[in-house]
Amino acid sequence: AQKITQTQPGMFVQEKEAVTLDCTYDTSDPSYGLFWYKQPSSGEMIFLIYQGSYDQQNATEGRYSLNFQKARKSANLVISASQLGDSAMYFCALRGSSASKIIFGSGTRLSIRP
Amino acid sequence: NAGVTQTPKFRVLKTGQSMTLLCAQDMNHEYMYWYRQDPGMGLRLIHYSVGEGTTAKGEVPDGYNVSRLKKQNFLLGLESAAPSQTSVYFCASSVRTTENEKLFFGSGTQLSVL
Repeated sequence: AQKITQTQPGMFVQEKEAVTLDCTYDTSDPSYGLFWYKQPSSGEMIFLIYQGSYDQQNATEGRYSLNFQKARKSANLVISASQLGDSAMYFCALRGSSASKIIFGSGTRLSIRP
Repeated sequence: NAGVTQTPKFRVLKTGQSMTLLCAQDMNHEYMYWYRQDPGMGLRLIHYSVGEGTTAKGEVPDGYNVSRLKKQNFLLGLESAAPSQTSVYFCASSVRTTENEKLFFGSGTQLSVL
């Protein structure tokens, strides 16, 4: 069975500060993938970053990086130098290898203070 | 490139009515997914498909049926709509390489069941 957990319902961060959004997962599959998506108030789903379980290095995409700790089963998203436009819901997702289904966490609402 | 297109964008049904949501992708993706998102919550997987002619149950499949007769289309059906099925429905398709993976989302369908 697959499980993905986001324990922070909401966060407030000062503009220009770095922020870490937590995500833990559980799967018995030998290989898997982890995603982060952003959902602004407009409702669209915006892809941020992907990490494969066999990737040796943490994924990075511009201001986004994924702190992948395989032994701890965590895949935290780090946003450096936060901006007002980063205010949104953020979702972590897990794709297993046995069934290829992709499930999402409950999300974290990030609010950036000016 | 149209990407992932969902029709309709809005729909109001009466309890017991049936309807079909259409998802079309023009990227030749093998994997397709249907999710529902209730207010303030994460995305829950309804059904998914790993290729033309295949379908599989997700986390919340009851009350829904799907079909993938053509690779580019993934249909979600509600045979007898219930107020509990009021939600925003997202379709997605994914591409997977050895190095990367990404889910592409449609813009969503707002469904209200009265």
